[in-house]
Amino acid sequence: DAKTTQPPSMDCAEGRAANLPCNHSTISGNEYVYWYRQIHSQGPQYIIHGLKNNETNEMASLIITEDRKSSTLILPHATLRDTAVYYCIGLVYNQGGKLIFGQGTELSVKP
Amino acid sequence: EPEVTQTPSHQVTQMGQEVILRCVPISNHLYFYWYRQILGQKVEFLVSFYNNEISEKSEIFDDQFSVERPDGSNFTLKIRSTKLEDSAMYFCASSYSGFFNEQFFGPGTRLTVL
Repeated sequence: DAKTTQPPSMDCAEGRAANLPCNHSTISGNEYVYWYRQIHSQGPQYIIHGLKNNETNEMASLIITEDRKSSTLILPHATLRDTAVYYCIGLVYNQGGKLIFGQGTELSVKP
Repeated sequence: EPEVTQTPSHQVTQMGQEVILRCVPISNHLYFYWYRQILGQKVEFLVSFYNNEISEKSEIFDDQFSVERPDGSNFTLKIRSTKLEDSAMYFCASSYSGFFNEQFFGPGTRLTVL
């Protein structure tokens, strides 16, 4: 699985877009990028995943660069409830789906 | 909305005792997982379970640990002879498939070993 690198912390103003970067320069061709978040010691929560195309769902958008070496998770209108640790995880298809969490990015949304 | 539940929410035990952590996964899910998180540290994978057997386990998941799906609804993690360093939050998760579907996590059981 690709090693992912994320900034340890970020701030965002409430109502603004939060853009969380992830570097995964060693990602392989069959490796998907998954994003989860953990709100204050609760169980992690799935956000979105993608392979090479940009993806959008009701929670967020995922932008993956053409060379797939990095991606950005976008929360379009951050709220205080989006304050959490965000994890970018590389997952290889057909390897059982175990999640390997790194340290993630601690996002603080401020009023 | 269906959810994963875990009991108890907090378990306190003496070192050397056995504990069983219980989880009820989402009813139509087929893959089950246990993770743990020591306070202030990252979430760590312990074990995955499918078709009534362990699919994969981490180095942490040694002979002290075992998992079981005793009936059609419960999924348990047993820790024998607990040690101080087993103190952590233990999360159960389930998914419909092993890969493309998201894993749904429970709220966790906080285990404190004294």
